[in-house]
Parts: sequence; C-alpha cells; structure tokens
Amino acid sequence: GIQVEQSPPDLILQEGANSTLRCNFSDSVNNLQWFHQNPWGQLINLFYIPSGTKQNGRLSATTVATERYSLLYISSSQTTDSGVYFCAVGVRRDTGRRALTFGSGTRLQVQP
Amino acid sequence: GAVVSQHPSRVICKSGTSVKIECRSLDFQATTMFWYRQFPKKSLMLMATSNEGSKATYEQGVEKDKFLINHASLTLSTLTVTSAHPEDSSFYICSARGGRQGGWETQYFGPGTRLLVL
Repeated sequence: GIQVEQSPPDLILQEGANSTLRCNFSDSVNNLQWFHQNPWGQLINLFYIPSGTKQNGRLSATTVATERYSLLYISSSQTTDSGVYFCAVGVRRDTGRRALTFGSGTRLQVQP
Repeated sequence: GAVVSQHPSRVICKSGTSVKIECRSLDFQATTMFWYRQFPKKSLMLMATSNEGSKATYEQGVEKDKFLINHASLTLSTLTVTSAHPEDSSFYICSARGGRQGGWETQYFGPGTRLLVL
C-alpha cells in the first residue's frame, strides 16, 4: 500500500515562531488532507489539498503532486496550535476503497 | 456544516461484554463511513469501510466477528465490539465521506470514543 512519511516527528517552538511540516507519499493520490488533532483527540480538518496551494489565516499548505509531497506552514504560532498534525492521503482504487492512509504525525508543542 | 458525531465519547466495560459505538453525520448524507483505531501516541489505523446497505470491508488483520459494523442509513453507522477484552481498549474514531462541502473526497471525523475494558 501507499506509504506516508511525515517530518519532523517532534517540534518545539516558541510562541510567534514559524514552522514548516512536511509530508512525503509514495504514490499518486486523489485526496490529501491535513488535520490537527487536539489534546481531546478530535481531528480538525485543516485543508483538503490534493494539489496546489491554499491559505487559511495563519496556516497555508502546498501540495506538489508530481513530486509527491505536501507542506504545511504555520506562521506566528500560538500555544493553541499545540497538538499533533497528521497528513493523510487517499488513492482511488477499482474496488472503490477510498479510505485515508495516515502518516505518523508531527507532534508540535508551542511554548509561551 | 459537515459535522460528524459519535456516541458515547467514553465507555468503561467489563471483559466479556459487548459495546456499541454510534457514528452519525449530522448535516449531510454519508455514502461511505470509515472506522479507525488509534493507540496512545500513535497514528490512526483503518479498521473497515462501510457503504450504506452493504457489508463492510475489513482491513487485513481486523476480525469481522469481533468488530461488527452496520451502516443502516446514510447518516448512521455503528461499530459493536463483541466480547471485549482488555486488548480492545483503544480510541475509536469514525469518519464520513459524501458531503459536498470541501469536495466529494473530503472526509470528516467524529470526536472519537475512548474504550477501556477492565
């Protein structure tokens, strides 16, 4: 199956700093989503971005599908940004299976 | 829009009992729902995929007789952990796909259910 690798695995930032999280995947994808898992376990949709660039406030994401990677940018980080960031990809198959395969996540801690 | 709920949020049960977890899409019809399992400090692992009105498709290594999935309507899927044992303790998360918002491929996740089997 498709492999999804995220880096770095852990990241500690001071409040106000910027960061870039990376997601590499091993095959062509039809779906790529970035999530933030908060301390209570809820997965929050950040971006649906199988290709191109999107921005939402302090967050932006870019996916270069031809080179099989995606980047999530967090600017002016805040303590509320702490948590685990997951990249997940989906591949459309003949069987119709369209589940997401998750990377191992980047654990972000923003210190005041 | 695109809200998915799960109930219960937390459950503690004795070994040998069965536990049912409900997953509902509140403001859209979900053609497909997925069940994931997450261990502490680990990633999400897909357990099964269910389409309304048909049998669920289980991932390799997931016991279909242990984890019963019913997708009775376009807004409800249930996961029943039968004869639960301590090793079934985990965080179970459902997701739903089918809403127009965000694109047809976008998946939306429920808040999860923490199961502890004593």
